[in-house]
Amino acid sequence: DAKTTQPNSMESNEEEPVHLPCNHSTISGTDYIHWYRQLPSQGPEYVIHGLTSNVNNRMASLAIAEDRKSSTLILHRATLRDAAVYYCILRDGTQGAQKLVFGQGTRLTINP
Amino acid sequence: NAGVMQNPRHLVRRRGQEARLRCSPVKGHSHVYWYRQLPEEGLKFMVYLQKENIIDESGMPKERFSAEFPKEGPSILRIQQVVRGDSAAYFCASSRDRASTDTQYFGPGTRLTVL
Repeated sequence: DAKTTQPNSMESNEEEPVHLPCNHSTISGTDYIHWYRQLPSQGPEYVIHGLTSNVNNRMASLAIAEDRKSSTLILHRATLRDAAVYYCILRDGTQGAQKLVFGQGTRLTINP
Repeated sequence: NAGVMQNPRHLVRRRGQEARLRCSPVKGHSHVYWYRQLPEEGLKFMVYLQKENIIDESGMPKERFSAEFPKEGPSILRIQQVVRGDSAAYFCASSRDRASTDTQYFGPGTRLTVL
């Protein structure tokens, strides 16, 4: 599995946008970029995924660099409930159903 | 619309006892994954099962650990002769089909404490 690099921690204020970066310089052409998050004392939950184009859903937006070597998860208006560890994960699109390989993730703190 | 269910939520065992962790996937999902999260560490994959078959067990310790996903009933992760190092949160996830982009839905986890 290709490796991803994320900052260990980030801090933001409530109701402000948050940009969570992820570097994946060794990404292959068939790797999808997935984001999951884990709230305190809970199991991980899916946030968003994309391949080449930017993606939006009700939770967040995913901005993917043109060379696909990095991506940014955008929370448009952070709430206290968004405090969690965010994981950027690559999944090979040619391999079918497969395990998720979690790195250390970014611990996001939201200040009221 | 029930999500992934795991039970028990908390399990306490003494060294040498057996631990059985159960996972009921989302209705209609036939793929189950088990992950372990040791204290203050990240999530690590253990095993991936489809109905009655183990597909990938590359993350399972070679001894004492086993998993099954029978045709009927929940998936079971079994740990024999538990040791203190087995204390962790064990998460189960399920997905619907074989696509690599298919979302994995996680349960709330079972927190195992070995005394």
